Amino acid sequence: NAGVTQTPKFRILKIGQSMTLQCTQDMNHNYMYWYRQDPGMGLKLIYYSVGAGITDKGEVPNGYNVSRSTTEDFPLRLELAAPSQTSVYFCASTLTGGTNEKLFFGSGTQLSVL
Amino acid sequence: KQEVTQIPAALSVPEGENLVLNCSFTDSAIYNLQWFRQDPGKGLTSLLLIQSSQREQTSGRLNASLDKSSGRSTLYIAASQPGDSATYLCAVNPPPGNTGKLIFGQGTTLQVKP
Repeated sequence: NAGVTQTPKFRILKIGQSMTLQCTQDMNHNYMYWYRQDPGMGLKLIYYSVGAGITDKGEVPNGYNVSRSTTEDFPLRLELAAPSQTSVYFCASTLTGGTNEKLFFGSGTQLSVL
Repeated sequence: KQEVTQIPAALSVPEGENLVLNCSFTDSAIYNLQWFRQDPGKGLTSLLLIQSSQREQTSGRLNASLDKSSGRSTLYIAASQPGDSATYLCAVNPPPGNTGKLIFGQGTTLQVKP
């Protein structure tokens, strides 16, 4: 059981470049999330999805886009990379978002924009 | 706006000590609180989840307590070991409670010296 898988693990982008961070889960979870973690800070929610075809903004969505065409996959798109997007990105999932459910995280993507 | 704070940011203790990590939140209207462990270069692993109606949860050498009225939670680690060295984050689940959207503290980095 792989859980939540993120690719790539590391990436360096130049300002203005675009990329997609991949996230897939094999637990048949309905709810998926993208968080970013800046050094010494807690995680901040970028986007989330409650099921295929349904996405919504979190606390810090500017500069990012998401799509959810399948239950398993929830890619995060950076269109015009900026230095402020240098961060570690985590994908997470949970079954139904219920109050007794734990969140499962991927191992993260470390992104540097230079 | 809900804010979650963890103090201290870093803690170093000798092996065998019992220790307490603190988490405070500004709004008592939460549905649950989770404690996570984060190892360097890895994702987060949920350790304990306390529902709003509960006072504490235990798992092995870990015990987490919750006092909603005072906006505080503690994570107690008994007989600490070098393998406990990691960053510990707490996160609250605010209203509406059924989306799994968590608000995180900045974390406490624990070092247990042999």
